[in-house]
Amino acid sequence: GAVVSQHPSWVICKSGTSVKIECRSLDFQATTMFWYRQFPKQSLMLMATSNEGSKATYEQGVEKDKFLINHASLTLSTLTVTSAHPEDSSFYICSARDGTEYQPQHFGDGTRLSIL
Amino acid sequence: GQNIDQPTEMTATEGAIVQINCTYQTSGFNGLFWYQQHAGEAPTFLSYNVLDGLEEKGRFSSFLSRSKGYSYLLLKELQMKDSASYLCAGMDSNYQLIWGAGTKLIIKP
Repeated sequence: GAVVSQHPSWVICKSGTSVKIECRSLDFQATTMFWYRQFPKQSLMLMATSNEGSKATYEQGVEKDKFLINHASLTLSTLTVTSAHPEDSSFYICSARDGTEYQPQHFGDGTRLSIL
Repeated sequence: GQNIDQPTEMTATEGAIVQINCTYQTSGFNGLFWYQQHAGEAPTFLSYNVLDGLEEKGRFSSFLSRSKGYSYLLLKELQMKDSASYLCAGMDSNYQLIWGAGTKLIIKP
C-alpha cells in the first residue's frame, strides 16, 4: 500500500518552456502532498507543502510564480515549472502522506528535469 | 536554529553490522524518521521513532534517545544492495520534517 506515482520520470526541454509534473497517490487519499528538489549529492530541499483545496505553502526563497502548485483532488497534485531555465535543472520529488503528521511521507519516483 | 547532523559517508563490509548515527536539534519534537535513498531514486521509508528505545524491523533497527537528541540506524547482515544514502529527518513542533544531508553507505565485498 501507500503507492505514489510521479510522471514524467525524465524531461529534457529548451529554455523558456513550461513543464508540468504530476504526483498521484494511487491507493490512498492524501490531504497533504510535498514537493522537494534535490541537487546531486545533496539532501532533499522542501519547496512547498500542498493541501487539497487550498493554496500551497511555499518555503522561503521559493518563487510562487515560478513554481505553480495545484492540489485539486485528494489524489493529485501538480507542479508546473514556468519558463524553465538551465538553473532549474534538478531532481524534483513529490511525496504524500496517508493520514496524520505522524505517518511517514511516501515518495514518488522523482522527475529528472534538464533544461537546455 | 534547527539542525540534523549525520556522517557524510561510511564504509562497511558485506555481512557485517553498521550503525549510522544522527543527532538532532529541533524546535519541539514529534518523532524521527529514517529513509533509504538509492542513487538516482526517491527515498523509501524505513522507520519512525517517537518514544525512547529500539525498534527492530528485520535486518534494520532504529534507536532513539530523546534526552540526548540522538538516534541511530543499525543495519545487520549487510548486503551489497544496502549501498545507498540513509536520510535522518526530525519532525518539529509544527510537524515539519527537518532533513539531514544523508549518510552515503558503501558496502564492500
